[in-house]
Amino acid sequence: EVQLVESGGGLVKPGGSLRLSCAASGFTFSSSDMNWVRQAPGKGLEWVSTITSSSSNIYYANSVKGRFTISRDNAKNSLFLQMNALRAEDSAVYYCARNFVYWGQGTPVTVSS
Amino acid sequence: QLVLTQSPSASAFLGASVKLTCTLSSGHSGNAIAWHQQQPEKGPRFLMRLNTDGSHDKGDAIPDRFSGSRSGAEGYLTISSLQSEDEADYYCQTWNTGTPFGGGTRLTVL
Repeated sequence: EVQLVESGGGLVKPGGSLRLSCAASGFTFSSSDMNWVRQAPGKGLEWVSTITSSSSNIYYANSVKGRFTISRDNAKNSLFLQMNALRAEDSAVYYCARNFVYWGQGTPVTVSS
Repeated sequence: QLVLTQSPSASAFLGASVKLTCTLSSGHSGNAIAWHQQQPEKGPRFLMRLNTDGSHDKGDAIPDRFSGSRSGAEGYLTISSLQSEDEADYYCQTWNTGTPFGGGTRLTVL
């Protein structure tokens, strides 16, 4: 069974940092492109970032480019999102997704003073 | 720039059928379209992928009541025999650098 479990969310002040993690199991993680998608309260789904299976290609939404860094550890079946210079508008539930077919349950991030 | 357009809302009666539409912006009709369901207070759930050749690939344990089809730049999600648990937000999505989602359609089951 495919499982994606996010962690690392929480309350952070504007300008602060957080590192999200996504633990994957039930599939060959090292062969899968992975994504982060977020959803602000009451809003729709917003794609954040994609990393290909070998980390050779990485893409970011314009809204997070230069502030967020996606990475992965294929030996540990883990996906990460380092979020720096956080803003109030980054407040959302963050989901990891395998090729947009399998989704985690999400981890909430609140940026507030 | 690739944009996916969905109607913000739809409604249908319990036991009836409803057809949701997703439209790809001009020049992108060759993209596959996926549909996702998000029930209240839950994460997204992949329903199916609609390929340009008319085939579709459904997610795990998706009931037969959910079906999809394509016509050019449009992708459709049809839900038949509507049940109360089908009341949810439905998002379409495509695979593209900067892979966007549609704005979502909120389905109300009357």
